[in-house]
Amino acid sequence: SQQGEEDPQALSIQEGENATMNCSYKTSINNLQWYRQNSGRGLVHLILIRSNEREKHSGRLRVTLDTSKKSSSLLITASRAADTASYFCATDRYNFNKFYFGSGTKLNVKP
Amino acid sequence: DGGITQSPKYLFRKEGQNVTLSCEQNLNHDAMYWYRQDPGQGLRLIYYSQIVNDFQKGDIAEGYSVSREKKESFPLTVTSAQKNPTAFYLCASSLANEQYFGPGTRLTVT
Repeated sequence: SQQGEEDPQALSIQEGENATMNCSYKTSINNLQWYRQNSGRGLVHLILIRSNEREKHSGRLRVTLDTSKKSSSLLITASRAADTASYFCATDRYNFNKFYFGSGTKLNVKP
Repeated sequence: DGGITQSPKYLFRKEGQNVTLSCEQNLNHDAMYWYRQDPGQGLRLIYYSQIVNDFQKGDIAEGYSVSREKKESFPLTVTSAQKNPTAFYLCASSLANEQYFGPGTRLTVT
């Protein structure tokens, strides 16, 4: 299975701190994406990083990708209570229009 | 407003009944997907469709059926053959590798 696995499963931090979550996957990928899900809602796309990219930024988000280790990390800087949500990585392969999701990291940012 | 709509938000059914979940998009996306999410779990792919009148099974298609007669619509039927249908169901469409999700339907079967 190509399914990604996030680590840690749960993370609790204080507002203002940085949050780092990791994703590992098993097979070669075309892209890796991170999504956020607020409780009981749909997923919202955060950022996409292509297999030939190593780092990408979007606002307070920083994503890295290490294809040799088949892993990615998502860093949220200066976290806010509103960042409280579950975060999922998703991978896709070349020429396959399917996406594989990990089991998610549940982030709790305490005010 | 462009987006994906799923209805209803909550659905209750008795065991043994088939139930159809609605998914509509006005984003003009060719590809659409159905996922199942269980508490504390990630998303598992049920069915996906890359074009009208064509669809493929995902990883957990048993007990489910779909149709794709229109580009905008991709309904999912949960049949009585699905052993454990109670779950949160998410529909998505995609354009250029990015998926757009609907708000989900929480199905409870008793």
